[in-house]
Amino acid sequence: DAKTTQPTSMDCAEGRAANLPCNHSTISGNEYVYWYRQIHSQGPQYIIHGLKNNETNEMASLIITEDRKSSTLILPHATLRDTAVYYCIVSDLNFGNEKLTFGTGTRLTIIP
Amino acid sequence: DAGITQSPRHKVTETGTPVTLRCHQTENHRYMYWYRQDPGHGLRLIHYSYGVKDTDKGEVSDGYSVSRSKTEDFLLTLESATSSQTSVYFCAISESYPRPNTGELFFGEGSRLTVL
Repeated sequence: DAKTTQPTSMDCAEGRAANLPCNHSTISGNEYVYWYRQIHSQGPQYIIHGLKNNETNEMASLIITEDRKSSTLILPHATLRDTAVYYCIVSDLNFGNEKLTFGTGTRLTIIP
Repeated sequence: DAGITQSPRHKVTETGTPVTLRCHQTENHRYMYWYRQDPGHGLRLIHYSYGVKDTDKGEVSDGYSVSRSKTEDFLLTLESATSSQTSVYFCAISESYPRPNTGELFFGEGSRLTVL
């Protein structure tokens, strides 16, 4: 699987949009971009995933660059409950979920 | 929330003792996974199962064994616990075949194990 690079930590003001970047310059054509988050002491939670088109759901939006070498997860109106570690992962669905590799992620702190 | 229950949630044990962690699901999902999480390492896959009695090793399987005799239960066993196995253990489940694999994992709340 391709590796991802994320900033170690970020802050965002409550009510603002939180934009979390992820670089995946070696991503292959069959690999999807996934985002999970882990709120303190809880199990990780799936947020969103995409292949090449931008995706949006009730939690967030995922913007993938045209060359697919980077992506941004957007939380449109951050709340204190969005404080968590966010993981960006790339993986080929054809190889199964055991290939999902969680790195150390970005620790996002929402500031009141 | 996905129906995943891990037990025990907290355990303190001594080096050399056997430990079994249980993951129970009510979703009838085919795939089950055990991860460990340690500071600076993120989540690392220990073992996974792709069906009853079908299991395989993950990234950090040494010192661990698993069993899955029923769809709903996936057991992780430390035959002789060591201090290096002090960690938080997470169980996860996912659905796949015959449905398309979406890559979505559902995680339990974790089991904190301390080996003294």
